[in-house]
Amino acid sequence: DIVLTQSPDSLAVSLGERATITCKSSQNILWSVNNKNFLAWYQQKPGQPPKLLISWASTRESGVPDRFSGSGSGTDFTLTISSPQAEDVAVYYCQQYYDSPPTFGQGTKLEIK
Amino acid sequence: QVQLQESGPGLVKPSETLSLTCTVSGASISSFYWSWIRQPPGKGLEWIGYMSHSGTTNYNPSLKRRVTISLDTSNNQFSLRLTSVTATDTAVYYCAKEEVNEGEGYFINWGQGTLVTVSS
Repeated sequence: DIVLTQSPDSLAVSLGERATITCKSSQNILWSVNNKNFLAWYQQKPGQPPKLLISWASTRESGVPDRFSGSGSGTDFTLTISSPQAEDVAVYYCQQYYDSPPTFGQGTKLEIK
Repeated sequence: QVQLQESGPGLVKPSETLSLTCTVSGASISSFYWSWIRQPPGKGLEWIGYMSHSGTTNYNPSLKRRVTISLDTSNNQFSLRLTSVTATDTAVYYCAKEEVNEGEGYFINWGQGTLVTVSS
C-alpha cells in the first residue's frame, strides 16, 4: 500500500495567519501519461463526514473558498490555507488514488489560537 | 444534488455479520462507482471497497476475505456485508460516491455516517 504521512499532526494558527499542511507519499503518484498527480484533500469537521476540497493535487472543488490551495508533485504535496477563518477548524486529510487500495494520511488537526 | 444515507444496526455481536445499506438520491447507482469507507472512533479513514455500475468490485486486501458490496438498482441502494466482525471493526461507516479515473478514485459525495459498535 502507498503510505501517506502528513505533518504536522496538529497545527494552531492565529486568525489570518497562513496554515500549511504537508503530505508525503511513499511512492510517486504522478502519472507521466497525463502529467496528473493522483492526490486529493479533505476537510472533516467534528461530527461530520469528510468534505472533498481539492482533487488532482491542485484543482479546487466548486464552492470551496479560494483561500484553500493545493500544490506539489510526485511525492511531496502541500495544502495551504492562506487566511484561516474560525470555520476552518477541522481535521484535514490527504488521499492518494494512484494505486489500489486508495489510502489516506493520518490527518492534521487545525486549530485557531 | 447527490445525497447518500446509511442505515443498519448500530450494534453487532462479535463473530456475526455487519450489514449496512446506503440509499442514494440525486444520482442513479446504475452509473458511477459506489464505495464504503470507515473511521474508528478518534482515528483515520480506511477505504473498504467499491462496486461499479457495471458490477465490478474492488476491495481493500486487508478486508477482502470478509467483505461483499452489492447494488440494488430497483431501490437505488447499495449495501455492505462484513462477516466475522470483532471489536476492531467498531467504526463510523460512510458510504460515498467515488470518482474513478485511470487509477483509483476520490470521494465526491459522502453520507453522514453511521456508528457500528461490535460488542456482546
